[in-house]
Amino acid sequence: EVQLVESGGGSVQPGGSLRLSCAASGFDVGTNYMSWVRQAPGKGLEWVSVIYNDGGTQYAESVKGRFTISRDNSKNTLYLQMSSLRGEDMAVYYCTASLMYGLDVWGQGTTVTVSS
Amino acid sequence: SYVLTQPPSVSVAPGQTARITCGANNIGSKSIHWYQQKPGQAPGLVIYYDRDRPSGIPERFSGSNSGNTATLTISRVEAGDEADYYCQVWDSINHNYVFGTGTTVTVL
Repeated sequence: EVQLVESGGGSVQPGGSLRLSCAASGFDVGTNYMSWVRQAPGKGLEWVSVIYNDGGTQYAESVKGRFTISRDNSKNTLYLQMSSLRGEDMAVYYCTASLMYGLDVWGQGTTVTVSS
Repeated sequence: SYVLTQPPSVSVAPGQTARITCGANNIGSKSIHWYQQKPGQAPGLVIYYDRDRPSGIPERFSGSNSGNTATLTISRVEAGDEADYYCQVWDSINHNYVFGTGTTVTVL
């Protein structure tokens, strides 16, 4: 069964750091486009970052220079290292995969709270 | 950056047809995907490449895309279709995914 399970969310003070993880099963993270998408409370979906199957990466302007996407093929896990966190980064973070078309696999999400 | 505009809300009676639009300059030249998000749940794909349905999505869901508007159509609406719906494209100029502003469908 194809599945994504996020972890690592929690509460952090402004300026702090957090690393999110996304464990995949049923497919390989290294051979597919993997993305992070977030949703602030009561708001819409916002794409955050993608890592391509060739290892290339892209970031939304809002997180560029502060967030780093990576993967560990041996653990079949996707990561999002977040630093210099701001109040506007508070959101549910979803891990997604593009296996065949669009963002066709989603995790259940992990919540990041940024508050002093 | 590329902006996708959706109406904030659409209300429809059971059994009727809901149409959700997604507008942007020359969106007909791009491939669009649609996602459904029910309260407390992660989003899920309901339409890909403008008009195709993933396995398990009812035929009541259909899509079209031309000119400056893409449309998700839900025929014979059911109470279970109440959800937020988002359109999405790949912005090849800025190399990022773009989501629409989202539409809440309410079944009266």
